[in-house]
Amino acid sequence: AQSVTQPDIHITVSEGASLELRCNYSYGATPYLFWYVQSPGQGLQLLLKYFSGDTLVQGIKGFEAEFKRSQSSFNLRKPSVHWSDAAEYFCAVGASGTYKYIFGTGTRLKVLA
Amino acid sequence: SAVISQKPSRDICQRGTSLTIQCQVDSQVTMMFWYRQQPGQSLTLIATANQGSEATYESGFVIDKFPISRPNLTFSTLTVSNMSPEDSSIYLCSVGTGTGGYEQYFGPGTRLTVT
Repeated sequence: AQSVTQPDIHITVSEGASLELRCNYSYGATPYLFWYVQSPGQGLQLLLKYFSGDTLVQGIKGFEAEFKRSQSSFNLRKPSVHWSDAAEYFCAVGASGTYKYIFGTGTRLKVLA
Repeated sequence: SAVISQKPSRDICQRGTSLTIQCQVDSQVTMMFWYRQQPGQSLTLIATANQGSEATYESGFVIDKFPISRPNLTFSTLTVSNMSPEDSSIYLCSVGTGTGGYEQYFGPGTRLTVT
């Protein structure tokens, strides 16, 4: 069965520092992988996605993620965090060829000024 | 990407009543989905809203409790029936779109509180 694990419930970083949010998945084949961000009181915004090809994926707002098949991971990174990045981040796995997603439990990011 | 709106944005309802949530998309889409996000939790898929046919419900969700309509390719409604405090959640609709892929785009959500 598919599953998604986001090991860090909360992360706090200083503004300007680098960021890495972890995501591990369990899936029998090559999955579709997504990162979404949810700001307080907002819906989910798609940051980036991986379907196939280049394993380093660039997204919006300066985020990138790397698909590592050997580690079953799809970690989200940003070289320099801004205060406006404070939000909750969700990793999601989709079964190839479908719209069925499994969401991780989310990582809440706090940014210190 | 699609622009998705939901109404109402929030509501406070009494137990035993029902609330219908509307989801409007600015373009025609085949796939629409309804999710529930309980307080402090992740998203759980309730059902897939199929245009012209019955919705497909996930395990643990039933049509009598969460009836869904999909009258056309730009609109869907989710009704939360006979509400209890346990139904207090954010309800989100999403659409499946994207070129060659299966990404979903989400509406802003409806925050429901049941007292």
